[in-house]
Amino acid sequence: QKEVEQNSGPLSVPEGAIASLNCTYSDRGSQSFFWYRQYSGKSPELIMSIYSNGDKEDGRFTAQLNKASQYVSLLIRDSQPSDSATYLCAVNSNYQLIWGAGTKLIIKP
Amino acid sequence: DTAVSQTPKYLVTQMGNDKSIKCEQNLGHDTMYWYKQDSKKFLKIMFSYNNKELIINETVPNRFSPKSPDKAHLNLHINSLELGDSAVYFCASSPATSGHEQFFGPGTRLTVL
Repeated sequence: QKEVEQNSGPLSVPEGAIASLNCTYSDRGSQSFFWYRQYSGKSPELIMSIYSNGDKEDGRFTAQLNKASQYVSLLIRDSQPSDSATYLCAVNSNYQLIWGAGTKLIIKP
Repeated sequence: DTAVSQTPKYLVTQMGNDKSIKCEQNLGHDTMYWYKQDSKKFLKIMFSYNNKELIINETVPNRFSPKSPDKAHLNLHINSLELGDSAVYFCASSPATSGHEQFFGPGTRLTVL
């Protein structure tokens, strides 16, 4: 059974600080990794994808991938109240995405 | 332009009824999915179709039957609805079956009374 693990939180971060979200996965053969944001009552929205080891930056978001440790993370710099949401990690495995349960992030003004 | 659309957005019905949810994508993608998200927010894959062909059929009661008339549409029919079917159902699409990001519809909130 392929798994993706995330801390369910909630993770509380002060406004303006860096939020760090973590995800581990079990399938060593996975090649594609995604971070989605889901606001309450809304659908998941893709915010970052990463395919190779290292860092990938997009605005205030940085995804980090370490395939040897089977670990992927998302950093959000200068956190804003609008970043408060549940963040879902998804990992490609055998023609489907395996989803983590999500980490609830709360940004405190 | 809406990329992935679902109807209806809300569905309230009695136990034992049969209902359908429709999904359409205008992204030109080959692959479409149905997910169930329960009250604990865990996103669970139900079915996946690639160019109208069923490729993923997870352990889902056979009361649930997907139908894909063409690669832009994937519908979900549910027979004999049960209380435990209450959840949000999301349709999604992706360019291909493997290694690609998925794009979600707005969801259908199903409540079975």
